Amino acid sequence: NAGVTQTPKFQVLKTGQSMTLQCAQDMNHEYMSWYRQDPGMGLRLIHYSVGAGITDQGEVPNGYNVSRSTTEDFPLRLLSAAPSQTSVYFCASSYPGLAGGMGEQFFGPGTRLTVL
Amino acid sequence: DQQVKQNSPSLSVQEGRISILNCDYTNSMFDYFLWYKKYPAEGPTFLISISSIKDKNEDGRFTVFLNKSAKHLSLHIVPSQPGDSAVYFCAASAWGNKLVFGAGTILRVKS
Repeated sequence: NAGVTQTPKFQVLKTGQSMTLQCAQDMNHEYMSWYRQDPGMGLRLIHYSVGAGITDQGEVPNGYNVSRSTTEDFPLRLLSAAPSQTSVYFCASSYPGLAGGMGEQFFGPGTRLTVL
Repeated sequence: DQQVKQNSPSLSVQEGRISILNCDYTNSMFDYFLWYKKYPAEGPTFLISISSIKDKNEDGRFTVFLNKSAKHLSLHIVPSQPGDSAVYFCAASAWGNKLVFGAGTILRVKS
C-alpha cells in the first residue's frame, strides 16, 4: 500500500513554462485535494475533487487546472508558470468524514517547485 | 481574512513537560477540527480530531480541547518528547465543506 504518491519531488521551471504535477493514491479514496504551502500561510487549498469526473475550486485556484478521470489519479497542471507559484505542493486524499465533509486526509510527500 | 489562526509561530518546551498549542477560529459553522503534524521534507500526517459535539478527545499523550463559546481549541502533549518536534497545523471544516488550515506552530522539544 503506497498511500499517496507525488512526482516529481523537485522541479525548476522558467516563467511561462507549463507542467503537470502528478498525484496518485491506492486507498480508493473518494476525495482528493491539492494544497500549496507557503511560509506563514499554512496550507491553502487549490482545487479538490469529491469523485471521478467532479472537481471544484479551492481558495487559490488561479493559474492551475485539474481533472479527475479515475479514482486513483488527480494531476495538477500549471498553465503558464509564474514566480508567485514557487511553493511546496501537497496532494491529499480521504474518505468523506463526519457530516460528509473532508475527513482525515492522507498527504503525499510534496513537490517543491521553483519558478525563475 | 484567516478563518483559522495559530497566533504562536513557535513554541519551545523541555522534554517531559506539557506542550500546549493553541488555535482560534472565526467561522461559527465549523463543526469538525483536526490537528496535523509535519516533519521537514514530509507531508503532514493526521494526529487527532474532535467534532463540535464534544469538548475533549484523547489519544495517548495527545488531548484536544474545544471551547465553542470562545471559538478556541488547544492541543496538549504530555509528556513532550524530542520526537514531537515538528510543525503542528490546526484545521477546521464546516458541514460538507473543505478543510481550512492555520499557518502552523513550530514546536521544539529540548532534551
